[in-house]
Parts: sequence; structure tokens; C-alpha cells
Amino acid sequence: NAGVTQTPKFQVLKTGQSMTLQCAQDMNHNSMYWYRQDPGMGLRLIYYSASEGTTDKGEVPNGYNVSRLNKREFSLRLESAAPSQTSVYFCASSEWGSQPQHFGDGTRLSIL
Amino acid sequence: DAKTTQPNSMESNEEEPVHLPCNHSTISGTDYIHWYRQLPSQGPEYVIHGLTSNVNNRMASLAIAEDRKSSTLILHRATLRDAAVYYCIPIDTGGTSYGKLTFGQGTILTVHP
Repeated sequence: NAGVTQTPKFQVLKTGQSMTLQCAQDMNHNSMYWYRQDPGMGLRLIYYSASEGTTDKGEVPNGYNVSRLNKREFSLRLESAAPSQTSVYFCASSEWGSQPQHFGDGTRLSIL
Repeated sequence: DAKTTQPNSMESNEEEPVHLPCNHSTISGTDYIHWYRQLPSQGPEYVIHGLTSNVNNRMASLAIAEDRKSSTLILHRATLRDAAVYYCIPIDTGGTSYGKLTFGQGTILTVHP
């Protein structure tokens, strides 16, 4: 049982490059989320999608865009990567907003 | 969002019970109290959640104070695998905070063999 799958697991970018982080869940969940975690910090919400066809900003949306491609997939795009976006990115999903969230293993992103 | 206060760190010995406290005095009446943990180099893992009554599952128990201003996560017999950062997170079930998990600093639990 895969749960939440994130790709890639690791990535190194140069400043100014663009990249899309992929996330897919196989639990038929309605809601999906993107978080970032900086060293020694708790997770911060970037964007979320309450249901297919909707997306909303979280706590730290600047510099990111998202696409809810279908019920299963929710991607996060960095249009012009900056060193401040070096972080570990986690995708999560839940049946609905108040339900427990299931997390992927993360994408470790370094921007030089 | 309701603010939470947790000890920075706690220690336990293997096979002993662990009580992890959390204060959430500004919690609203519709906020569920969720607990997550994060093992080193992994994504957060859901542990348990509740609203008013005490809750039990295969991983832990959650004791919620009658006034709901505090809660305690109970690990009945700590194992080395329970060493992690534990987060207490109130979740607003309505309004504009849809499902948003606000992670504070959490409690670092160390389990000694």
C-alpha cells in the first residue's frame, strides 16, 4: 500500500531554475496539502486543495504555484528557484480537512 | 489559530509509560486535538485525535482535560521506535483554517534502552 508518493526524493537546482514536485495518493482522499520544513523547524503549509478543482494559499505561498491535476495528484511548482526555498517538502492528504493527514516521505530540495 | 505549549524535550526508559503534555488554553469549541509525531528523516505520522472524550488506539491514548485547555498523549510502553518529535495540534473544523496543521516546536522524546 503506497499511500502518498512524492517524486523526486532529492533534487539540486541552481538559482533561477524551475521545477515541479509531484505528489500522488492512492487512498481516494479529497484533500491534499503541501508543506515545507526548514532545518530545526516545524512544518509550514504552502498550499492546500480542499477538493478536486480547488486550491488555496497556506501560510507561505510566495514563490510557489500548485495544480490539482485530478483527485489523485497535486503538484507544486517553483517557477524561479531561490536559495531561501532550500527545504524539505512534504505532501499530505486527508479524507477531508478535519481528518488525519497522511504524509509522504518528502523531497529534499537544495538550491545553490 | 489556537496556540499550544509543549515541553521542549522529555526522556523515558524503554518499556516505561510516557505522558506527553500539551497546553492549548485558547482552543475553540469546535477544534479537534490532533497528535502527530515525526521520526528522524521521515514525514510526520498521525498518532491520535479527539474532541472531548478520552481516546484510545493501537498506538497511544489521549486524555483531554474537562475544560479542554490541555491534553496528554500517553504511550503505554515506550519503545526505541517511539523516539521522535511529538506535535500537539488543534485543528479548526470550520472557518477559513480548513484542515491546516500548524506545527509548533513539539516535544523531542528520547527513549533510553
